[in-house]
Amino acid sequence: AQSVTQLGSHVSVSEGALVLLRCNYSSSVPPYLFWYVQYPNQGLQLLLKYTTGATLVKGINGFEAEFKKSETSFHLTKPSAHMSDAAEYFCAVASNSGYALNFGKGTSLLVTP
Amino acid sequence: KAGVTQTPRYLIKTRGQQVTLSCSPISGHRSVSWYQQTPGQGLQFLFEYFSETQRNKGNFPGRFSGRQFSNSRSEMNVSTLELGDSALYLCASSLLAGARETQYFGPGTRLLVL
Repeated sequence: AQSVTQLGSHVSVSEGALVLLRCNYSSSVPPYLFWYVQYPNQGLQLLLKYTTGATLVKGINGFEAEFKKSETSFHLTKPSAHMSDAAEYFCAVASNSGYALNFGKGTSLLVTP
Repeated sequence: KAGVTQTPRYLIKTRGQQVTLSCSPISGHRSVSWYQQTPGQGLQFLFEYFSETQRNKGNFPGRFSGRQFSNSRSEMNVSTLELGDSALYLCASSLLAGARETQYFGPGTRLLVL
């Protein structure tokens, strides 16, 4: 079954520092991978999506992720953190059958001044 | 375009009652999926509707049901509420069916069961 594991339930970075949120996937077929962000008391907002093709995916708000098949990873990065990036981040993979998104447990990003 | 809207945003119910949540997808989107979000279990898929038909259902008891109308609006119903049903219920819409489609989420309905 398709699944994702997010390493680190909490990540803290200083404003201006590199953001790195880790996601590893398990998939028996070429995966469709997603990163979503959730701000307090809000729904999920799509940051970026990987289907096929280019392995470096650029998303909104300066985020990007690189698909590495050899490492079964899809880590999310941003060169310089802003205070407004503080939120919960979810990695997800489309299920084997293709009808559901299987989400990771989420990583809470804290940005300190 | 207006985003996905969900009503109500907050609900308080007592055990044994039933509840109906509503979701209006983005205009032109024909697929609606529902997810339950809890601190313990995270985000879990409930069901997906496309063209008024339930295509798939997650691993939830029969107390959880839903439907979709001809205008693509969807409702989900939970009968005989239990304390464990307290959660944020998220609805997502997409142009076509399937999780490989980009899904756009609403703000959610937060349900508290007392």
